[in-house]
Amino acid sequence: KQEVTQIPAALSVPEGENLVLNCSFTDSAIYNLQWFRQDPGKGLTSLLLIQSSQREQTSGRLNASLDKSSGRSTLYIAASQPGDSATYLCAVDTGGFKTIFGAGTRLFVKA
Amino acid sequence: DAMVIQNPRYQVTQFGKPVTLSCSQTLNHNVMYWYQQKSSQAPKLLFHYYDKDFNNEADTPDNFQSRRPNTSFCFLDIRSPGLGDAAMYLCATSGLGASSTDTQYFGPGTRLTVL
Repeated sequence: KQEVTQIPAALSVPEGENLVLNCSFTDSAIYNLQWFRQDPGKGLTSLLLIQSSQREQTSGRLNASLDKSSGRSTLYIAASQPGDSATYLCAVDTGGFKTIFGAGTRLFVKA
Repeated sequence: DAMVIQNPRYQVTQFGKPVTLSCSQTLNHNVMYWYQQKSSQAPKLLFHYYDKDFNNEADTPDNFQSRRPNTSFCFLDIRSPGLGDAAMYLCATSGLGASSTDTQYFGPGTRLTVL
């Protein structure tokens, strides 16, 4: 059974710091991995999607990597800003239209 | 703008009183999903529709049902809400891309309170 774990559960950093969020999954048989952002009481916004054949994706200050064999993904946020404060969730597509989410990392960027 | 819309944003119901949550999309996607998310937890897939084909997750309680009358709309029916059903309910859509899921687009969610 696929399980997705995100560490740390919460993180507080000063503005301007570069940071890394971690995601691990137990079964390497995935189609893709997505990183989402969720603001309090809101829905999810897709940030990056990495297909299983890819190693990384970049969008602006965000870079996500995928190591399928070790069951790990990282989301790198450069030069963090207070507006980056949110919960970041990773999710793996295991096929059959089934997506398994992690519980997220709650990020707080202090001005 | 193309989007996923959920109504209502907040729903209060009484214990045991049936409730229906609504989702509509303008993306013309063929796959629609319903997730349940409890506080500080991961979203949990309840079921999905691929066009008119309904797919229920094995651990989704019978209390939860869904209808998709057309491509644009999907409804979540909770027949007899219990206190444990209080949660955020998220609707999402995806088109059929290279992988089985492709990017999922989420609505803003409906927060359900059960009194």
